Amino acid sequence: AQRVTQPEKLLSVFKGAPVELKCNYSYSGSPELFWYVQYSRQRLQLLLRHISRESIKGFTADLNKGETSFHLKKPFAQEEDSAMYYCALRGGADGLTFGKGTHLIIQP
Amino acid sequence: DAMVIQNPRYQVTQFGKPVTLSCSQTLNHNVMYWYQQKSSQAPKLLFHYYDKDFNNEADTPDNFQSRRPNTSFCFLDIRSPGLGDAAMYLCATSSGGADKKLFFGSGTQLSVL
Repeated sequence: AQRVTQPEKLLSVFKGAPVELKCNYSYSGSPELFWYVQYSRQRLQLLLRHISRESIKGFTADLNKGETSFHLKKPFAQEEDSAMYYCALRGGADGLTFGKGTHLIIQP
Repeated sequence: DAMVIQNPRYQVTQFGKPVTLSCSQTLNHNVMYWYQQKSSQAPKLLFHYYDKDFNNEADTPDNFQSRRPNTSFCFLDIRSPGLGDAAMYLCATSSGGADKKLFFGSGTQLSVL
């Protein structure tokens, strides 16, 4: 069975401080990992995926197979980063398995 | 320029009264998904269509059904809603190819009275 764990329900940091949203997964095969974001009153949308090795809006995430983690990081938080962040895993099937999400609040 | 459209945004139904939620897409994507998201929980995949092939998740209750009459539309039917079915229902699409990116609708918030 595949599982995604986001241990923090809520994370509050000050503007300009570093951000790290934790994500751990459980999957026996080779997974694809994603981060989705939902800003206030907007739909859920893809932020980034591990296969692209990209940086989106200053966020990066590295897949660590040894630790089965895919933590989302940003060196300097901005107020517009406040949102709900979901880590997701795609195993063999087409659908994604989501974590419960972390509500990120950036304080001015 | 919404690409995945869900109507209505809010739906209220009565206990046991059948309800249908709708989703349409302008992306011409092969795959359409229905997710259920209860408060403070992860979105949970109910089922998906790959073209006309229906794929039900093992733990999706029989109370939930789906129809996809054509590429653009997909419906979620709840035959006898219970209080526990109150949730946000999210529709999503993907091309089904190597790009696994999902495009989500705004969701329909279902209340059961």
